[in-house]
Amino acid sequence: ETGVTQSPTHLIKTRGQQVTLRCSSQSGHNTVSWYQQALGQGPQFIFQYYREEENGRGNFPPRFSGLQFPNYSSELNVNALELDDSALYLCASSPSPGDNEQFFGPGTRLTVL
Amino acid sequence: AQRVTQPEKLLSVFKGAPVELKCNYSYSGSPELFWYVQYSRQRLQLLLRHISRESIKGFTADLNKGETSFHLKKPFAQEEDSAMYYCAPPTVANAGGTSYGKLTFGQGTILTVHP
Repeated sequence: ETGVTQSPTHLIKTRGQQVTLRCSSQSGHNTVSWYQQALGQGPQFIFQYYREEENGRGNFPPRFSGLQFPNYSSELNVNALELDDSALYLCASSPSPGDNEQFFGPGTRLTVL
Repeated sequence: AQRVTQPEKLLSVFKGAPVELKCNYSYSGSPELFWYVQYSRQRLQLLLRHISRESIKGFTADLNKGETSFHLKKPFAQEEDSAMYYCAPPTVANAGGTSYGKLTFGQGTILTVHP
């Protein structure tokens, strides 16, 4: 069974740029959720993708967007990067959208200068 | 809005001592709660799910609806229990007619077990 993988591991961008983060879900899981974890804080829910559509969103602005592909992998896109976007971005997959037990990837550390 | 409070950011105990990590919540929805753990240099992983009532690595947690608490306990702490612990009540809500689960995490408690 393959676990959740994320790429890249680390990323450095400058303010105003755009970034794309990638996630492959665990084998057999069709639902992907993204979380932002700022330093010293717990993860915050960004949104969830199911059947290639956004299926719920947390309190994040529209410049945070995503995609899900037929193989259930997902991308998180952030436009017009701000300094406060610096964080660890976690991807989690689950067998179905209503399943609250989620399996996390190792995260992508984004630094915005 | 749903809130989760983990009042202790840091908790230190000695090996063999009992340990309790506190979690208080306010939410609407089904009473399903989780504890997640993150060991050093490892990914966030599920430790305990209250519905299953399983004891994982000797940890247990009881849902107290009256106090709205879900404290994590272990009678005899081990050095390998040193980690970051997050309490996470999920919310199942309807978005466009499809239910979804999301986790609301507390700020976490760093547990250090000294030899």
